Amino acid sequence: EIVLTQSPATLSLSPGERATLSCRASQSVDSYLAWYQQRPGQPPRLLIFDTSHRATGIPARFSGSGSGTDFTLTISSLEPEDFAVYYCLHRLTWPPRYTFGQGTNLQIK
Amino acid sequence: QVQLQESGPGLVKPSETLSLTCTVSGGSISSGSYFWGWIRQPPGKGLEWIGTFYHTGSTYYNTSLKSRVAISGDTSKNQFSLTLSSVTAADTAVYYCARDEGGITIFSWGPGTLVTVSS
Repeated sequence: EIVLTQSPATLSLSPGERATLSCRASQSVDSYLAWYQQRPGQPPRLLIFDTSHRATGIPARFSGSGSGTDFTLTISSLEPEDFAVYYCLHRLTWPPRYTFGQGTNLQIK
Repeated sequence: QVQLQESGPGLVKPSETLSLTCTVSGGSISSGSYFWGWIRQPPGKGLEWIGTFYHTGSTYYNTSLKSRVAISGDTSKNQFSLTLSSVTAADTAVYYCARDEGGITIFSWGPGTLVTVSS
């Protein structure tokens, strides 16, 4: 069973700064890795799928990279609305199974 | 654009069965292009996949919950449902229904519904 480990657990930054969030898999997940943003009281919102593809309507300041076991979500210049919790997700192709990372809480410094 | 909406009791007693329904609009659960699933989130904690339904009737469950979970679909109502038996306080969570598109990942989520297990 694949385990996803996100780091750091908490990241404190200021608006305008660059954020780098990590997700490490216990075994290769190829490129089948997605990133979600969750604001308080809301469901998760898909940001990135298949490692690096931005979902519809997601600003260009969000980018994803990586392969195999190490993945990164980068927010190039933080906006006030970006402070939230971020989760990575691996979707096993077959049979369909979903594994979430434990989340990174991006908070305002 | 697809919309998903969870419904069901907000309070369930310990040892009883939790039952939720997800009503889908703007998309058909009969489509072979999508998988339909349930995810939960205990208060202040992370996300946990519960299980997934496919239009053929096939179901896939988290191994940690498999003995207590069932997911089914009702194409006439364009709904799919979750039952979780023998609940305890540890099952208290916000329950989300969601759509996986093309076997890629989860693109769409319902707003979620809080279910509390308490006597």
